[in-house]
Formats: sequence, C-alpha cells, structure tokens
Amino acid sequence: EAGVVQSPRYKIIEKKQPVAFWCNPISGHNTLYWYRQNLGQGPELLIRYENEEAVDDSQLPKDRFSAERLKGVDSTLKIQPAELGDSAVYLCASSLGFRGPDTQYFGPGTRLTVL
Amino acid sequence: AQTVTQSQPEMSVQEAETVTLSCTYDTSESDYYLFWYKQPPSRQMILVIRQEAYKQQNATENRFSVNFQKAAKSFSLKISDSQLGDAAMYFCAYRRGASGAGSYQLTFGKGTKLSVIP
Repeated sequence: EAGVVQSPRYKIIEKKQPVAFWCNPISGHNTLYWYRQNLGQGPELLIRYENEEAVDDSQLPKDRFSAERLKGVDSTLKIQPAELGDSAVYLCASSLGFRGPDTQYFGPGTRLTVL
Repeated sequence: AQTVTQSQPEMSVQEAETVTLSCTYDTSESDYYLFWYKQPPSRQMILVIRQEAYKQQNATENRFSVNFQKAAKSFSLKISDSQLGDAAMYFCAYRRGASGAGSYQLTFGKGTKLSVIP
C-alpha cells in the first residue's frame, strides 16, 4: 500500500513569492493534517481536515496561509506571500479518523527555503 | 496545555547495545495516547510504538519497548540490540483521547538525535 505522497520534496523561493505544496494521503484515510517542522523542533499542527472540512485551523496563519482539500482526498497548502520565517519542512499526515489511537502516518515532507 | 519534554538532545549507543530515550509529559487528562516516532535523515516520520494510557502493560514492538509510568508522566523508549539503521531523530508525542477540539492534535517533543556507533 502506498504511503502519504508529497511534492515537491524541495522548494527554494525568494521572499514575497507564492508557493504551494501538494499532498496525497493514504487511500481510505479520511483525516488529513498539515504540520510545520522548524529546524531542531518537533512538528506543529497547522490544519486538520476531516474529509473536505477543515475542522481545526486555529494554528494556521490565515493572513498568508491557505489550504484546501477538494473532494476529500488530495490537499494543497499555499503560502502567499512567503516570508523568511516560513523556511521549514512542511509535513502532511493522514489517518483513518476513527476514535482511539488513530495513528497518523506521515509523508516525506517538503523542505521550503525562503531567500 | 499539554507539553512534551525530551531532555536528551543527543544520545549515542554502541551497535548491539541497549539505549533508553527519555520523555516526560504534562497533562490533566486521564485518557490519552503516547507515541514514539522515528525520523531518519530522509525525513519520513515513522511510527515506532504507541501506548494507550488506560493500558497498564507496557507496549513492545520487536526490539523496541516502552516504560510507561503514568503517575510520573514518564514514557521512555528502550531500543535493544541497536542497529545502524536505528540512527535517527526520535520524537515523543502525546494525543488526548477525549473528543472535542484539539483531540486529534499530536503534541511533539523537540526530539532526541540517536547515533549508533559501529
């Protein structure tokens, strides 16, 4: 079974430019998460989707970040405009969304460098 | 708010030896889950082991086991017979079990970098 797929793996942009990340979750996983991982830190949740609905976006900087999950499968996270402080690894994860442990499975991430 | 603390930024172990990584957490919840994730240099975060707080028995997965001390809010990971492929960042993570806002959110520690010496 294929894991969580993310693209691109690496992205280098200049500040004030837009950037987008794509995620394809594990088949059948209803819940999708976007995390940001700064250097030397653990991941921090940006947004969580249950199917198409963003049910927890309290930590998403909404002035410049946006996300969508059309049809409840693939998801795109966008930053516009990017700032120097946005340099980080952006991780996508998915889970079945059931009660209980509901283990999250992570993709390889996109390393963003903003110059 | 829940916090997860990993007090060892770096650890090293000789190949075939045993190493224990420490994790403590702070919560007022009684129902929660704890996880250890491994993140090799390729960055793919992989689940190593998980523990349900309501279970008294410590979880075990092959060479990996945990020492879960609920009263002390401690959740350490023991790796036995260490192999070169165990070298990675290890993250301890917490998730509350109750429903409601934030119940699916994983709270991670800052990680422990494990080196395995041949």
